[in-house]
Amino acid sequence: KAGVTQTPRYLIKTRGQQVTLSCSPISGHRSVSWYQQTPGQGLQFLFEYFSETQRNKGNFPGRFSGRQFSNSRSEMNVSTLELGDSALYLCASSSLIANVLTFGAGSRLTVL
Amino acid sequence: DQQVKQNSPSLSVQEGRISILNCDYTNSMFDYFLWYKKYPAEGPTFLISISSIKDKNEDGRFTVFLNKSAKHLSLHIVPSQPGDSAVYFCAASVVQGAQKLVFGQGTRLTINP
Repeated sequence: KAGVTQTPRYLIKTRGQQVTLSCSPISGHRSVSWYQQTPGQGLQFLFEYFSETQRNKGNFPGRFSGRQFSNSRSEMNVSTLELGDSALYLCASSSLIANVLTFGAGSRLTVL
Repeated sequence: DQQVKQNSPSLSVQEGRISILNCDYTNSMFDYFLWYKKYPAEGPTFLISISSIKDKNEDGRFTVFLNKSAKHLSLHIVPSQPGDSAVYFCAASVVQGAQKLVFGQGTRLTINP
């Protein structure tokens, strides 16, 4: 069974640009969550999508947005990038009966 | 406001000994607790969990203890092995199966041969 796949794995952007990250969940998983990992802050919840609907949202500014497609694949977008957006962005998926999240390897974003 | 705290950024333990990783939380609504392990260039992987109705859960070399009155949980690894060297995150949620987890900052565990 393929795991959670995130693309791209690494990317470099400059301040003011926007970025789109993609996540393909495990086959059959309909819930996709996004987390931001920065040094010293651990993982912080961004949002969760289920059946193309945002079900939960963390405390991030509106520059951070996401969506989910009918095949459960998800994308997150960050507009007007700031230096502080440099982080590892992790996607996780889960099934309806699972109690745990399965994470992808992440997309490491560097903002210069 | 850090609701889940791991106060030790790093821990070094000799191979074969016990590793004890600690985690404190402030939100009394948390009902379910998990530990994840993360290797470099990989995503976190689930290790073990515990519901608030229990005070101990064991899985092989890994045991998680929960002290609700102290709002404290710990992960014991016995015996520690070199492959256990990783960053360990504790996480909490208000309900079992929730997608929104609140994570601690992580503790880097190094097992020395």
